[in-house]
Amino acid sequence: DTEVTQTPKHLVMGMTNKKSLKCEQHMGHRAMYWYKQKAKKPPELMFVYSYEKLSINESVPSRFSPECPNSSLLNLHLHALQPEDSALYLCASSQESGTGREQYFGPGTRLTVT
Amino acid sequence: GNSVTQMEGPVTLSEEAFLTINCTYTATGYPSLFWYVQYPGEGLQLLLKATKADDKGSNKGFEATYRKETTSFHLEKGSVQVSDSAVYFCALREINTGGFKTIFGAGTRLFVKA
Repeated sequence: DTEVTQTPKHLVMGMTNKKSLKCEQHMGHRAMYWYKQKAKKPPELMFVYSYEKLSINESVPSRFSPECPNSSLLNLHLHALQPEDSALYLCASSQESGTGREQYFGPGTRLTVT
Repeated sequence: GNSVTQMEGPVTLSEEAFLTINCTYTATGYPSLFWYVQYPGEGLQLLLKATKADDKGSNKGFEATYRKETTSFHLEKGSVQVSDSAVYFCALREINTGGFKTIFGAGTRLFVKA
């Protein structure tokens, strides 16, 4: 199984809402990532988890809160978002060791903040 | 810091034409290099990779050679199909203080006409 799944596929939320994005993989990967992708732009790294511990936070605003409950699951909790946070949110996973390890991406969650 | 530069698009070709998408990188050390492809409405998927100088990555008719002397990793395909229409991202993977990060180029959109 070389699949990364993400739910929901689409999400519309108001600026006062709280919602969560979910990501799951069963490839035994110990590194998991959240990216934000705006239209016609490359993915922009937000967070990296390594062995269930947050290892990289790219100065992301606190209205985004990641969580890694176990080695297969990654969540992104959203609260008090702004319209400019509307984007495609991609989850990815990889083997932890080595620069030669490719990432496996999920299909993304299309988020619209109204 | 490390960076990836790829040719701006969009690139529009007729079916069966030859494709080249240029990619150059700036890096300390010896990063691994990747090409990812993103089809409309989907996440990224690995197209090919090369982990050391002079390595050639290949997949689905696409090829790229890791050229250390010119710091390049150009993507080529001898005969494109309509189904190759997508956005192509050149990337390198580096080790960072917190773990491994992928640096993406800006992406090149390819349109193939029947």
